[in-house]
Amino acid sequence: TQLLEQSPQFLSIQEGENLTVYCNSSSVFSSLQWYRQEPGEGPVLLVTVVTGGEVKKLKRLTFQFGDARKDSSLHITAAQPGDTGLYLCAGACHDAGGTSYGKLTFGQGTILTVHP
Amino acid sequence: EAQVTQNPRYLITVTGKKLTVTCSQNMNHEYMSWYRQDPGLGLRQIYYSMNVEVTDKGDVPEGYKVSRKEKRNFPLILESPSPNQTSLYFCASSLAGGGSYNEQFFGPGTRLTVL
Repeated sequence: TQLLEQSPQFLSIQEGENLTVYCNSSSVFSSLQWYRQEPGEGPVLLVTVVTGGEVKKLKRLTFQFGDARKDSSLHITAAQPGDTGLYLCAGACHDAGGTSYGKLTFGQGTILTVHP
Repeated sequence: EAQVTQNPRYLITVTGKKLTVTCSQNMNHEYMSWYRQDPGLGLRQIYYSMNVEVTDKGDVPEGYKVSRKEKRNFPLILESPSPNQTSLYFCASSLAGGGSYNEQFFGPGTRLTVL
């Protein structure tokens, strides 16, 4: 069974601070996805990273996939109260063309609270 | 509107009483999956289906059954629910084909309590 260790589990910060969430595994994944979940709703995809070393930016969020495709990080610059939520990383395995093999492994999640 | 729907959204039942949670998607996705979410454990995959009549076990399949008779529907069946199946359940769907990378669309969740 592939495992994804996500840290920290809880993060409570003040508006304007920077933060980084980590997602680590001993297994190689074909791609790594990051989701955000708000209370009472299902997770919503933020980004997918596919290539080792890849960096993607989504406004104040920066996502990186490790060179060996075993780890990933999410960095938020100048956090806002609207960033509050549960952040989940998920590792997928698929062929070179992006066709899924089916299983998706999630990390435990990071609950982020940004205080005004 | 493209969406994944689940019913019921909330359910309280008793041990041993068979139940079904329905899941339907209107995006013509080949891939569908069920997860349970428990505090501190993240989302754990129960079963998934790559297409009609094709289903496979995820990481925690014990005590659950699924079927995929139609492309749009993927019901989750608990034949004899037990208290340790009390959880928040999510259904998700995705394109399975090349370039999709299994990026999933999730339903709103079903909160199940087994007494």
